[in-house]
Amino acid sequence: EDKVVQSPLSLVVHEGDTVTLNCSYEVTNFRSLLWYKQEKKAPTFLFMLTSSGIEKKSGRLSSILDKKELFSILNITATQTGDSAIYLCAVDSWGKFQFGAGTQVVVTP
Amino acid sequence: GAVVSQHPSRVICKSGTSVKIECRSLDFQATTMFWYRQFPKQSLMLMATSNEGSKATYEQGVEKDKFLINHASLTLSTLTVTSAHPEDSSFYICSASRDRGNEKLFFGSGTQLSVL
Repeated sequence: EDKVVQSPLSLVVHEGDTVTLNCSYEVTNFRSLLWYKQEKKAPTFLFMLTSSGIEKKSGRLSSILDKKELFSILNITATQTGDSAIYLCAVDSWGKFQFGAGTQVVVTP
Repeated sequence: GAVVSQHPSRVICKSGTSVKIECRSLDFQATTMFWYRQFPKQSLMLMATSNEGSKATYEQGVEKDKFLINHASLTLSTLTVTSAHPEDSSFYICSASRDRGNEKLFFGSGTQLSVL
């Protein structure tokens, strides 16, 4: 059975800290892994990863995929209160997406 | 970026009534749209995959007659919760892909359904 597991489920950090979110998966027919940020309601796209070892960066966020060990990490450096959200990991099996439970990140001033 | 509009954002209804939720892709044509349900502090659970001009594909355990999906055009899919009951209360969210390979999803803003 396909599964996507995120850890931790939640964490609280202070502004300026660095956080690392984990996403491990077991799926058949893997095509890509995606990270989304969900604030209030609609998830917004962060990254799509298809190849191992290639880090994707966007400002203070970065992510990398390991297709051998079947996991991805999402890093957020110099966190700000605006980074508080649920971060969702999803694995795309050629058009069918399975989501992890998400990691709730709370950044305190 | 691609914009997906979902309406209404919140609806409260009486038990036994039907509720329709619309999902529109505003600046692209979406061959495929997806409908999810999300309970508090839980992940998005795929309910069905909606393809324009054909019947939706439902996930195991999702009642087809309960959750009617219509994808009549390349920019609009609707989810109708028929004869709603309190246990149907949930957050429903749609997503759409603008490419044929469904490589990247864009999400609507979601609909919070409360059935009294």
